Amino acid sequence: AQSVTQLDSQVPVFEEAPVELRCNYSSSVSVYLFWYVQYPNQGLQLLLKYLSGSTLVESINGFEAEFNKSQTSFHLRKPSVHISDTAEYFCAVSSNAGGTSYGKLTFGQGTILTVHP
Amino acid sequence: EAGVTQSPTHLIKTRGQQATLRCSPISGHTSVYWYQQALGLGLQFLLWYDEGEERNRGNFPPRFSGRQFPNYSSELNVNALELEDSALYLCASSLITRAGTDTQYFGPGTRLTVL
Repeated sequence: AQSVTQLDSQVPVFEEAPVELRCNYSSSVSVYLFWYVQYPNQGLQLLLKYLSGSTLVESINGFEAEFNKSQTSFHLRKPSVHISDTAEYFCAVSSNAGGTSYGKLTFGQGTILTVHP
Repeated sequence: EAGVTQSPTHLIKTRGQQATLRCSPISGHTSVYWYQQALGLGLQFLLWYDEGEERNRGNFPPRFSGRQFPNYSSELNVNALELEDSALYLCASSLITRAGTDTQYFGPGTRLTVL
């Protein structure tokens, strides 16, 4: 079975400050990792993903995440946030193992990022 | 390119009724996934359909069911509605090259309210 823990339910920051949203996962097999963002009353938008290769992945709007296998983490970072980054962020894991985990995304509980002016 | 679409946007039902939610995947995607986002319970996997077949099912009672049509669109049916079924139901689609590595793209969701 796989699980995801997002260590902070809410993160308040000021505009232009750096931010880190923490995500740890647990799985007995190789995993693939994702960050999604959800704006109020909307669906989920893919922010970035790690499937293989370079452990540092970047999005087009300045976010980055680093896959750390030894610490089973996939923390999301941004060096300077904007008001428009205010949203809920979800870390998710999938695998190509069979059984009950087959094909599905397992999500963390979400982190609400609030950027203050 | 059009994204995943879902209908209706909002649905209000009473206890005991049936609800039908619809999803159209991104063109070329053959897999459709359903998730429930209920207040306080987070995002929970419901069902996965690929090529018209149910491939996996989450820990939900049998009154949650669905199907996938030959054009890859999908329906989610919830029978005998209960108050706790009130939630945002999200549909996602993906290509399948090797399960687990394929990125799921989400629709805007259907907000189901059970009174």
